[in-house]
Amino acid sequence: GAVVSQHPSWVICKSGTSVKIECRSLDFQATTMFWYRQFPKQSLMLMATSNEGSKATYEQGVEKDKFLINHASLTLSTLTVTSAHPEDSSFYICSARPPLVLDTQYFGPGTRLTVL
Amino acid sequence: KNQVEQSPQSLIILEGKNCTLQCNYTVSPFSNLRWYKQDTGRGPVSLTIMTFSENTKSNGRYTATLDADTKQSSLHITASQLSDSASYICVVSVGSSASKIIFGSGTRLSIRP
Repeated sequence: GAVVSQHPSWVICKSGTSVKIECRSLDFQATTMFWYRQFPKQSLMLMATSNEGSKATYEQGVEKDKFLINHASLTLSTLTVTSAHPEDSSFYICSARPPLVLDTQYFGPGTRLTVL
Repeated sequence: KNQVEQSPQSLIILEGKNCTLQCNYTVSPFSNLRWYKQDTGRGPVSLTIMTFSENTKSNGRYTATLDADTKQSSLHITASQLSDSASYICVVSVGSSASKIIFGSGTRLSIRP
């Protein structure tokens, strides 16, 4: 089956630093990847849609200069949280969509970010 | 407005018992509906996917139903096990291309021994 990995699985950083999270589709090419944020006891909230070779599309209220997304290849998208603050602490989940299958997303295992 | 609502928000049952989770949606045009299981600290994993013409679909001890007329879906879990403790999320795809998806807020299920 389709597998999506994320790295790291958890990270703790100091306030003001930047953190990069990687999302990889291991056995399929993903022209589109999605980044979600999930706060405790809440459902996933879409942050942005990442398309290979083009700029990401951000949802309303998500700061594109703070959450930098790069989708440089068909199997890798990265999310960089710049100048992290404690309120950025959350569970970040990516998903990848195979080409030509618009209604299917395979989710990664998530990355727990804690900003001190 | 496209919305997906789930109930109950949380549920505690004893191991071995059955339970049913509900999902109501107001989505147009409807494409498909999926139930996901999300273990704590993990990403969601798809359990079932149902299109407009499907009424019931099973995956082991999980059985999903869909009533497209009333825009309701349910997920029935039989003979619950401790490993069923998780959040269950109903997700509805919108549009002919199904490129937009709407997440429900999930039901947190706890199985007690």
